[in-house]
Amino acid sequence: QKEVEQDPGPLSVPEGAIVSLNCTYSNSAFQYFMWYRQYSRKGPELLMYTYSSGNKEDGRFTAQVDKSSKYISLFIRDSQPSDSATYLCAMSVSGANSKLTFGKGITLSVRP
Amino acid sequence: GAVVSQHPSRVICKSGTSVKIECRSLDFQATTMFWYRQFPKQSLMLMATSNEGSKATYEQGVEKDKFLINHASLTLSTLTVTSAHPEDSSFYICSATLGPSGAGTDTQYFGPGTRLTVL
Repeated sequence: QKEVEQDPGPLSVPEGAIVSLNCTYSNSAFQYFMWYRQYSRKGPELLMYTYSSGNKEDGRFTAQVDKSSKYISLFIRDSQPSDSATYLCAMSVSGANSKLTFGKGITLSVRP
Repeated sequence: GAVVSQHPSRVICKSGTSVKIECRSLDFQATTMFWYRQFPKQSLMLMATSNEGSKATYEQGVEKDKFLINHASLTLSTLTVTSAHPEDSSFYICSATLGPSGAGTDTQYFGPGTRLTVL
């Protein structure tokens, strides 16, 4: 079993839809949970960063972490064509500036 | 701010040759840089962690003699793939972290990646 599993894609939704992206993990030592967004030919950029369990909201984005189930989610409300990108979940034992373990990523396309 | 560049963005080389990839932090000093590799349809996998002025720490299964990392300054780290073979063809991406204090220190800033193709 891989340390981090991410839902396979690609995913295509109409503009305005609510998008749910998910990852599961097996290493209970992970304490820091991140979502990165990557546009074509660019490096990943940090979108959301959560420590331990709970929810975090930033504009149209909400990150949820359920450590008891080893499950994390990213919700995008009112999705826009500009949200079209690859989304990667990442996890760390020590923090976002330490070794990261990534999911495979899912490519999201938001249709106008 | 916090921009990381990589050079080259794409390289094609013959089997047996060596290839050097540069990773630069353009507007900040990076005490730590990371090198990742991504094969098609696979996750980004950490290869090594590089601290300025010291030897890199390699992940299990990564050959240190094949993937030479030099972090000679606070703004530059290089990855040299020695005697490259077709199985080394991959997407190599670096990231950098800020110093120990200040805003934004608890994150990594990623470069745009280098696509290596070994013929």
